[in-house]
Amino acid sequence: KQEVTQIPAALSVPEGENLVLNCSFTDSAIYNLQWFRQDPGKGLTSLLLIQSSQREQTSGRLNASLDKSSGRSTLYIAASQPGDSATYLCAAFSNSGYALNFGKGTSLLVTP
Amino acid sequence: EAQVTQNPRYLITVTGKKLTVTCSQNMNHEYMSWYRQDPGLGLRQIYYSMNVEVTDKGDVPEGYKVSRKEKRNFPLILESPSPNQTSLYFCASSSGASYNEQFFGPGTRLTVL
Repeated sequence: KQEVTQIPAALSVPEGENLVLNCSFTDSAIYNLQWFRQDPGKGLTSLLLIQSSQREQTSGRLNASLDKSSGRSTLYIAASQPGDSATYLCAAFSNSGYALNFGKGTSLLVTP
Repeated sequence: EAQVTQNPRYLITVTGKKLTVTCSQNMNHEYMSWYRQDPGLGLRQIYYSMNVEVTDKGDVPEGYKVSRKEKRNFPLILESPSPNQTSLYFCASSSGASYNEQFFGPGTRLTVL
């Protein structure tokens, strides 16, 4: 079964800093990898989807990369803002199943 | 506006009282699924549906039922809720194949006393 791990579990940075969130997965046979944002008590907002044939995707200040051979994905946030404070989840969709396998998330706090 | 809606958003109930959480999407998506989110365990899939009348179990299906009679709706049924089903529930949908971008509903916070 696909196992997805996110490190660190929590991160606090000052406003304006660039940061990287890490995600690793055990089974490289994936269809895609999706990054989500979750605000406290709220739903999941899709940030970026990287198909298995892609190496990276960009949206505004966000850039996500995918390296299937090493089983890793990173989410890069440029010029962080307090409004970026949330939990970030990565999820891999494996070839062998019909579900997104989620990591437990990285809780990000951006301080003014 | 393209969206996945869930009702109710919050529910407190008692053990054994049957309940249904509704999920509806307006994007004509074929694939729909239910997840539950628990502290320390993350999100886990309960059931999924590839299309109308096609459903299958996810990782944690015990105690739940689903049906897919219409493309837009995918209700989650708890026939006899128990306290261990207290959780935050999410419905998701995607177009075409199940591995396309998933869109999630706002969540339903269920407490079973």
